[in-house]
Amino acid sequence: AQSVTQLGSHVSVSEGALVLLRCNYSSSVPPYLFWYVQYPNQGLQLLLKYTSAATLVKGINDFEAEFKKSETSFHLTKPSAHMSDAAEYFCAVSEEVGGFKTIFGAGTRLFVKA
Amino acid sequence: SQTIHQWPATLVQPVGSPLSLECTVEGTSNPNLYWYRQAAGRGLQLLFYSVGIGQISSEVPQNLSASRPQDRQFILSSKKLLLSDSGFYLCAWRVLGQQNSPLHFGNGTRLTVT
Repeated sequence: AQSVTQLGSHVSVSEGALVLLRCNYSSSVPPYLFWYVQYPNQGLQLLLKYTSAATLVKGINDFEAEFKKSETSFHLTKPSAHMSDAAEYFCAVSEEVGGFKTIFGAGTRLFVKA
Repeated sequence: SQTIHQWPATLVQPVGSPLSLECTVEGTSNPNLYWYRQAAGRGLQLLFYSVGIGQISSEVPQNLSASRPQDRQFILSSKKLLLSDSGFYLCAWRVLGQQNSPLHFGNGTRLTVT
């Protein structure tokens, strides 16, 4: 079975600083990888997804993620944090079996300091 | 465009009472449908998924059940709630059979069992 590990349940950065949220996956086949963001008391919204067309994936709000097969990683970055980026971020992998189940990491809460 | 509706937004129920949460999707046909639960400070746990009317797959043994009486309607139920059923319940859909199709989430129901 596939799995996702997010390193760090909490990450704190200053406004304007680089954001780096780590995600490692385990998969015996080429994975379908996603990053989602969740604001308080809301559902999850898609930030970006890995399509295998390019290893560097660009998403909304200047977020991007790089797929590294050798490291089984799909880390999320943003060059300059904004206060509005404070939220919880989830890395996820989809299994191409059954109902295309999506397995989520435990999430990383991002705090942005003024 | 596609939309997903989930209600109610919040619910407080006593232990032993029944539960019914409803989710409907508009603007698409034959979606895969999912129920997730998010406990405080934890990731998302897949509870049920459905690939068609009347087809329900359960991921974990629990006090809950799901039904799909219509193509775009997904219902989460319980006959007798437990304290441990408290949490944030999220309904989601994705396009049937499309690789890399992301999940689209409703805004969730926060259930408190007292």
